[in-house]
Amino acid sequence: DGGITQSPKYLFRKEGQNVTLSCEQNLNHDAMYWYRQDPGQGLRLIYYSQIVNDFQKGDIAEGYSVSREKKESFPLTVTSAQKNPTAFYLCASSTTSGGGAQYFGPGTRLTVL
Amino acid sequence: SQQGEEDPQALSIQEGENATMNCSYKTSINNLQWYRQNSGRGLVHLILIRSNEREKHSGRLRVTLDTSKKSSSLLITASRAADTASYFCATDAVGNNDMRFGAGTRLTVKP
Repeated sequence: DGGITQSPKYLFRKEGQNVTLSCEQNLNHDAMYWYRQDPGQGLRLIYYSQIVNDFQKGDIAEGYSVSREKKESFPLTVTSAQKNPTAFYLCASSTTSGGGAQYFGPGTRLTVL
Repeated sequence: SQQGEEDPQALSIQEGENATMNCSYKTSINNLQWYRQNSGRGLVHLILIRSNEREKHSGRLRVTLDTSKKSSSLLITASRAADTASYFCATDAVGNNDMRFGAGTRLTVKP
């Protein structure tokens, strides 16, 4: 089965804790993306990676960190520096960066208690 | 920052009617895409239209692009209850390596 997976589906975090969201794809895509979605809103870009061992900040990178050590994996860490982390997080991938069709995972809903 | 803006924010129609959603954007683009999102799920790619194209069809979907007005429309014909979802436009701006999404149109199709 080809696709993009995210885990966990739901995540609860206490204030002051770092938490890592997983994103894996077996589509052999070079580019991967992390977005944040707040209720009733569109998607805002956190980070994206065009190729292994390389990534760029998006519009709202503060308080987040990523790594791209393998082509298949692009984990996102929400750090304690992110003041309002409760949101729905979506990971996506595409064959190349820029304007190709993006394939999305099912999302992780993060709630800070 | 968000590049595209969808209009209307919400649309409610009866099954069988057509639904039209609009998207406006600010800068020159390479292409524009439409996506669909069911509540609490990831987005699904629907259609991509390039800047040198004016109209594209895919099944019951029809997309138009007017680069002079920096706008696009998505028409869903003969709508079904299963079309109920949020629809987003996304633009690939010239010189960028990423896409920008609008805030979406929430479509409700009543059976």
